[in-house]
Amino acid sequence: QKEVEQNSGPLSVPEGAIASLNCTYSDRGSQSFFWYRQYSGKSPELIMFIYSNGDKEDGRFTAQLNKASQYVSLLIRDSQPSDSATYLCAVNGPDYGQNFVFGPGTRLSVLP
Amino acid sequence: GAGVSQSPRYKVAKRGQDVALRCDPISGHVSLFWYQQALGQGPEFLTYFQNEAQLDKSGLPSDRFFAERPEGSVSTLKIQRTQQEDSAVYLCASSSTGTNQPQHFGDGTRLSIL
Repeated sequence: QKEVEQNSGPLSVPEGAIASLNCTYSDRGSQSFFWYRQYSGKSPELIMFIYSNGDKEDGRFTAQLNKASQYVSLLIRDSQPSDSATYLCAVNGPDYGQNFVFGPGTRLSVLP
Repeated sequence: GAGVSQSPRYKVAKRGQDVALRCDPISGHVSLFWYQQALGQGPEFLTYFQNEAQLDKSGLPSDRFFAERPEGSVSTLKIQRTQQEDSAVYLCASSSTGTNQPQHFGDGTRLSIL
C-alpha cells in the first residue's frame, strides 16, 4: 500500500512569514514528487516538481526532497493572503504505473 | 484549447441513472488520467490511458465505472446505475509522453447523486 501523508492543518501563518508544508511517503521506490495548490472549488494547479535530493527554488517557492528520510517539503516565502489554499503532495514511481498518489492535502491560511 | 477541458461542470442525477463525463486533454498530450476527489481529500486515481489504450484501470471502484478514449484524444467516463456514494468531483488530467511528467488538471465535474 503506497501512502502519502500530510498534516491536514489548517496551518496559519501571518502575511510575510514563511509557510512550511511537509509530506511523507511510504514507498522507497518513489522517484517524482509534485506540489499542487488547490483553491476551494477549483482544480489542482501545479506549483513545483522535484526529482533529485536537495532544494529546488522557483520564485517564492522552494521544494526540498530527502529520499533517505522519505519526505518532501514546500516552503513559501513572503506568504500572501492569496496563497491561502489547500496544498497537495503527489508522488510517482516505477511501481505506480503512470498515476500519482496524492496526500490528503494541507490547508494553509495566510492571515493579513 | 490551452488547458484540459471537462464537461459538464456540474451534474445532478437521480440514483440509478447513468451519467457520462467528458474530458478534452491538452492538445498533443499522450497520457490521460481520471481521478475521483471526495470533499476534504486528495484525488484518488481511477484509470489511465496512453493514446487510445487503457493501460491501468485498477482504481475504478466497481464494474459500474467505465472509461474510454477511442481516438486517443477526448475521453469519457461513464458511471452506470449511479449510487449516492458516487457523489464526488471527477478530475481529468493529461501529461505529455514519457514517465514522471507533471499532470495538468481540468476544472473537474462535480457529480451529485440524489
